[in-house]
Amino acid sequence: DAKTTQPTSMDCAEGRAANLPCNHSTISGNEYVYWYRQIHSQGPQYIIHGLKNNETNEMASLIITEDRKSSTLILPHATLRDTAVYYCIVRAITGANNLFFGTGTRLTVIP
Amino acid sequence: DTAVSQTPKYLVTQMGNDKSIKCEQNLGHDTMYWYKQDSKKFLKIMFSYNNKELIINETVPNRFSPKSPDKAHLNLHINSLELGDSAVYFCASSQGDREAFFGQGTRLTVV
Repeated sequence: DAKTTQPTSMDCAEGRAANLPCNHSTISGNEYVYWYRQIHSQGPQYIIHGLKNNETNEMASLIITEDRKSSTLILPHATLRDTAVYYCIVRAITGANNLFFGTGTRLTVIP
Repeated sequence: DTAVSQTPKYLVTQMGNDKSIKCEQNLGHDTMYWYKQDSKKFLKIMFSYNNKELIINETVPNRFSPKSPDKAHLNLHINSLELGDSAVYFCASSQGDREAFFGQGTRLTVV
């Protein structure tokens, strides 16, 4: 079962930062926050993950609150190709890598 | 080269038939998965498999069975297809519990 809550949809202007929030108030100490996205008609794509520190890679930044009950995925300069459904997933640090996808946030980047 | 590839991309078949979907990964990963995405776009884990164990989602009918001829392949066999099996099936792989890489999906339509 998904342990996260995300807004159903968001819009973002092209070139602006897209900030996608996620609530995971029941997260436990041995669980990571993962983000994946699914562009229309494609398979899910890994974006980033974190435990408690903020993380950044070539695709995005992940900001996790100090109490770890929520996080924000930041796409610094959204492009039209970033239009997709973004999934925030909580999963255990070790053990089975079975991902439980919720409904995600449909991000639409507007020209 | 495609990291995780599935064949066929589209499969249309009649009720009651038996079919297989093939999946190959060239990433050297030790764990492979099958996910199902239904018409409402919910993505659910079906199986995860590595050399040591097969983990089955208890909601998956036993008409579905994964078969792994070697570490790089995990094929999905479906017996006695039903209308409700129509969905997009995604194969994925990972190295242990690191991030998963997904294939492009197989759209199965049962008529």
